Amino acid sequence: AQRVTQPEKLLSVFKGAPVELKCNYSYSGSPELFWYVQYSRQRLQLLLRHISRESIKGFTADLNKGETSFHLKKPFAQEEDSAMYYCALSPYLSNNAGNMLTFGGGTRLMVKP
Amino acid sequence: NAGVTQTPKFQVLKTGQSMTLQCAQDMNHEYMSWYRQDPGMGLRLIHYSVGAGITDQGEVPNGYNVSRSTTEDFPLRLLSAAPSQTSVYFCASSLNSYEQYFGPGTRLTVT
Repeated sequence: AQRVTQPEKLLSVFKGAPVELKCNYSYSGSPELFWYVQYSRQRLQLLLRHISRESIKGFTADLNKGETSFHLKKPFAQEEDSAMYYCALSPYLSNNAGNMLTFGGGTRLMVKP
Repeated sequence: NAGVTQTPKFQVLKTGQSMTLQCAQDMNHEYMSWYRQDPGMGLRLIHYSVGAGITDQGEVPNGYNVSRSTTEDFPLRLLSAAPSQTSVYFCASSLNSYEQYFGPGTRLTVT
């Protein structure tokens, strides 16, 4: 069975500081990894996924299969980045992969002015 | 498009009562899921469906039933509510694109 671990429940940084939200996973196959974000009073939404290799709102995440990690990084945090961030894993199944997400416990990011 | 809608937004139940949480989507998505969100535990998959007439259990299915008679609707039924089911419930849908679209959630308290 797959597992996703986010070791930090809360991460507090000052505006302009670098941010790294940690995510480690365990899965025997080839997973798809995602970061979802929930801003205050908004719905949970997809931030980025590793297969697209994009930078969204200045955030990037690299899948490190050797360390089984998918850490989320941003070089300069902004106050509007304050939110709850969830790392999620989906097993690579061609028929229904998008439907079976396993989430980590979440990290609350607070960016102070 | 309204996207994914959930009703009610809030609900208080007494132990042993039953109720149905409603979920609907207007995006013609085949895949729909129910999650519960508890502090420190993230979201855990309760049940999911890969199309009308097809449902399957997720990580924490006990105490919940689902059905999928149409593509649009995916109700979640609590048969006999227990305090351990106090949680925030999210419904989500997806189009086999790995991105799930979430509803606004239902906050359920069981006393």
